[in-house]
Amino acid sequence: GQNIDQPTEMTATEGAIVQINCTYQTSGFNGLFWYQQHAGEAPTFLSYNVLDGLEEKGRFSSFLSRSKGYSYLLLKELQMKDSASYLCAVLDSNYQLIWGAGTKLIIKP
Amino acid sequence: DTAVSQTPKYLVTQMGNDKSIKCEQNLGHDTMYWYKQDSKKFLKIMFSYNNKELIINETVPNRFSPKSPDKAHLNLHINSLELGDSAVYFCASSQDSSGTSGRAAGIQETQYFGPGTRLLVL
Repeated sequence: GQNIDQPTEMTATEGAIVQINCTYQTSGFNGLFWYQQHAGEAPTFLSYNVLDGLEEKGRFSSFLSRSKGYSYLLLKELQMKDSASYLCAVLDSNYQLIWGAGTKLIIKP
Repeated sequence: DTAVSQTPKYLVTQMGNDKSIKCEQNLGHDTMYWYKQDSKKFLKIMFSYNNKELIINETVPNRFSPKSPDKAHLNLHINSLELGDSAVYFCASSQDSSGTSGRAAGIQETQYFGPGTRLLVL
């Protein structure tokens, strides 16, 4: 079966750094997405990784290791507005997007 | 300009009724999707559709049916609504879903979501 695992909830402090992990077991791999979803709103695209390594985009970075079936989203200089759920999703061999259940990130002052 | 729009934003209805949710995208995308997000916040794909193929998640009851008058619209019709249908329904679109590989897949396959329709069945 296909499976994506993320922690259910994480807490971090404003100004700090947090790493949200995602592990996956899918039938094939054509890339991994991270989306952000604020409460009551739609998911919005953050990043896409298809090659191993780190992709940096401002305060957010995403890392991928295909051999380990592992990715993480790194958020630096946390702001209160970063409080949201972060969804990991993998594009499988059929180009179907398999979604994780999301990690709720709580930022405390 | 809203890229992906849905109407209505809120829908409260009685069990047994039939209702439709409309979705429109002005991004020129070829593929559209319907998702259900329940109270546990898990996003579940219901349908994906482009002008070539409709892919139905086999776990979706046949009371749910997508209707696409043209490639910019994918409406969701629900018959005989049940209490368990209460959820947020998101429409999404992507440029294409034709199997582009490599980094280009990131551009082709990135999905853009509508604001969601909050359905409450009483």
